[in-house]
Amino acid sequence: GENVEQHPSTLSVQEGDSAVIKCTYSDSASNYFPWYKQELGKGPQLIIDIRSNVGEKKDQRIAVTLNKTAKHFSLHITETQPEDSAVYFCAASITTDKLIFGTGTRLQVFP
Amino acid sequence: DTGVSQDPRHKITKRGQNVTFRCDPISEHNRLYWYRQTLGQGPEFLTYFQNEAQLEKSRLLSDRFSAERPKGSFSTLEIQRTEQGDSAMYLCASSLRGPTGELFFGEGSRLTVL
Repeated sequence: GENVEQHPSTLSVQEGDSAVIKCTYSDSASNYFPWYKQELGKGPQLIIDIRSNVGEKKDQRIAVTLNKTAKHFSLHITETQPEDSAVYFCAASITTDKLIFGTGTRLQVFP
Repeated sequence: DTGVSQDPRHKITKRGQNVTFRCDPISEHNRLYWYRQTLGQGPEFLTYFQNEAQLEKSRLLSDRFSAERPKGSFSTLEIQRTEQGDSAMYLCASSLRGPTGELFFGEGSRLTVL
């Protein structure tokens, strides 16, 4: 079955710096790759997603890139702010019905 | 608030007891999902419904677990004869079948089995 690896597990950056989180997936049939942000005591919230027919997608300070050949995708956050501090999860799926999540990255943005 | 709501938010029980969690999805969403999340891990898929039909169940869902969505609206997840290994956050999500397929998660029900 699908397996998703995510790294780093923790990431500390200074406010204003960029943060990059990387994921690899195993099932070449996967075609949907969302990223979720989870704040303490809350459920995950979708922040951006990408489908396999697109190589890159951007939404303000957040961007995701996908390399289907290498089976990896990355989340890029620019101009980080303290409110970006949270746990970020990547996921992969053949459809949107069953997401396989990575193990998460705890991002800390220091003022 | 018209998001996904889950009840109870916290449940402490003794090993061997039965527990039931309820999920109320966003009203127009026809798909409902249950995930389990343990400390330091990502959510793991358990099962999902389209309307009242349960379409897929994970192998993680042992015989002690049962989920229902009787009228295609709210859903319940029951765990019988709880074990300490069942301690986790149980997350419910809903979506509207369509091109985006975005899952909207509730805040979860945290289970502690003593």
